[in-house]
Amino acid sequence: KAGVTQTPRYLIKTRGQQVTLSCSPISGHRSVSWYQQTPGQGLQFLFEYFSETQRNKGNFPGRFSGRQFSNSRSEMNVSTLELGDSALYLCASTDIQETQYFGPGTRLLVL
Amino acid sequence: QKEVEQNSGPLSVPEGAIASLNCTYSDRGSQSFFWYRQYSGKSPELIMFIYSNGDKEDGRFTAQLNKASQYVSLLIRDSQPSDSATYLCAVIVMRGGSNYKLTFGKGTLLTVNP
Repeated sequence: KAGVTQTPRYLIKTRGQQVTLSCSPISGHRSVSWYQQTPGQGLQFLFEYFSETQRNKGNFPGRFSGRQFSNSRSEMNVSTLELGDSALYLCASTDIQETQYFGPGTRLLVL
Repeated sequence: QKEVEQNSGPLSVPEGAIASLNCTYSDRGSQSFFWYRQYSGKSPELIMFIYSNGDKEDGRFTAQLNKASQYVSLLIRDSQPSDSATYLCAVIVMRGGSNYKLTFGKGTLLTVNP
């Protein structure tokens, strides 16, 4: 099976802009979770989608949003970017035993 | 108290030695436990998961779970320089129905010296 794919892999934006990241889970997996990883804070949970519905949510401001499509592909959007949003954004695809498999990530730099 | 705690390290061991990585968690309702390895600049990759008390072995890796003491550990036997990475502990707590929470520790940096 193909693994989790994320696009784009690298992104440079400026403060105030918005960004959309995409994730395609492993075939057959219906759950997708998003994480932000920074050197200081580690892996922080953003949200999880299952069957096009947000099932779990972390403690991030409303500027961070997501959605899931009927084919399980997911997107996350960050509006009004801040310098502190510079991070590695990871998408994880979850199997029926709640085991998560990570994609390669999107590295976002906000200038 | 942090939900999942790991010693940030770095933990340095010589090649061929046993590396012992530890993780403690605060929620007694935790049910599933995972170890991930993350190389610098890469995404985490799953090494092992464990659900029941005791030991689970997979090649050079052994996960140990003690729910009464709320800790889970990962032993790496015959450590190799290629094992040098950050090891992340993750814990699932079910919240009822399909609702669950997966929390990661901040990871322990392991360095295996040739």
